[in-house]
Amino acid sequence: AQSVTQPDIHITVSEGASLELRCNYSYGATPYLFWYVQSPGQGLQLLLKYFSGDTLVQGIKGFEAEFKRSQSSFNLRKPSVHWSDAAEYFCAVGSYSSASKIIFGSGTRLSIRP
Amino acid sequence: KAGVTQTPRYLIKTRGQQVTLSCSPISGHRSVSWYQQTPGQGLQFLFEYFSETQRNKGNFPGRFSGRQFSNSRSEMNVSTLELGDSALYLCASSAGAQGQVDTEAFFGQGTRLTVV
Repeated sequence: AQSVTQPDIHITVSEGASLELRCNYSYGATPYLFWYVQSPGQGLQLLLKYFSGDTLVQGIKGFEAEFKRSQSSFNLRKPSVHWSDAAEYFCAVGSYSSASKIIFGSGTRLSIRP
Repeated sequence: KAGVTQTPRYLIKTRGQQVTLSCSPISGHRSVSWYQQTPGQGLQFLFEYFSETQRNKGNFPGRFSGRQFSNSRSEMNVSTLELGDSALYLCASSAGAQGQVDTEAFFGQGTRLTVV
């Protein structure tokens, strides 16, 4: 069965510091992987996605993620965080049979220290 | 292009009642999915509709049901509400045809349901 693990519940980083959010997945075939961000009281916004090809994926807002098949990981990175990046981040895996059946991780809440 | 619209944004219901939530997808999108988000269980897939047919279903009891209309608008119904049904219900739409997973799912802002 598909599953996604985000081992960090809450992370605090200083503004301007680099960020890495961890994500590990379990999926029987080639995974379709996503990172979403959710601000308080809001819906989900797609940051980036991986389906195939280049394992380093660029997304919006300066985020990137690297797919590592050998480690079953899809970690999200940003070289320098801004206070506006404070939010909850969800890693997710998609199903080939459906564009919208997405299995989400439990999320990582990111706080920014001024 | 208008985004995914969910109505109402907030709802308070009493245990035992039923509720209907509405989702209007992005124009041209034929797939609509529903998710439940709670602090304890996180984001869980409820079901997906494509061209008025339920294509996928999550592990929720039969009290949770949905439907999709010919204009792709979708409704979700929960009968005999329980306290544990209090959650943020999110709807997502995508263009995705069968097997076309490389399309983005756009989420609405959700309906916050509180059961008292």
